[in-house]
Amino acid sequence: NAGVTQTPKFRILKIGQSMTLQCTQDMNHNYMYWYRQDPGMGLKLIYYSVGAGITDKGEVPNGYNVSRSTTEDFPLRLELAAPSQTSVYFCASSYSSGHEQYFGPGTRLTVT
Amino acid sequence: GQQVMQIPQYQHVQEGEDFTTYCNSSTTLSNIQWYKQRPGGHPVFLIQLVKSGEVKKQKRLTFQFGEAKKNSSLHITATQTTDVGTYFCADGGGTSYGKLTFGQGTILTVHP
Repeated sequence: NAGVTQTPKFRILKIGQSMTLQCTQDMNHNYMYWYRQDPGMGLKLIYYSVGAGITDKGEVPNGYNVSRSTTEDFPLRLELAAPSQTSVYFCASSYSSGHEQYFGPGTRLTVT
Repeated sequence: GQQVMQIPQYQHVQEGEDFTTYCNSSTTLSNIQWYKQRPGGHPVFLIQLVKSGEVKKQKRLTFQFGEAKKNSSLHITATQTTDVGTYFCADGGGTSYGKLTFGQGTILTVHP
């Protein structure tokens, strides 16, 4: 099992550009999450999904969108990138509520 | 919203010294999860505590859940350089779709 994989590892965007961060898991987990981590801070939940076709907002959803067409994939879309979106983005999955989360290696995004 | 406070923010120790990080919440926690993030890495699940007053051990790591389920602690005995990283606690959120609310983490540095 590869676990949770994320692409790209690094990306530099100009202000106003858009991009999609990819996340795939091969553990057949229903629950998937997107977090952002700013320096010296904990992780903040952006969006989450409890199954294919079901998504909902987390704590900091503004400026982002998600979709979940399959169990395996949970892409995060940034529209009109802003410097405030400079961060490290982690995707995670879990078997169910109350279970441990498995994190991907992260995408380090810089918006200039 | 729910806040989880973690102290200290930083801890520098000499190898062989003990280390403790504390996690506090103003409201009752349904369960608490602990994660470790190595420098440049992603969070990795360590343990979950569910019961009031629960104590769990993993080799040199001891995890406690307070009697009132409003606080938790992680204690490392005789630190080693491999213990370096950021330790996060997270409120498991009960039945709220597994959404985790993370503390800001404690960054541990171990000097050889």
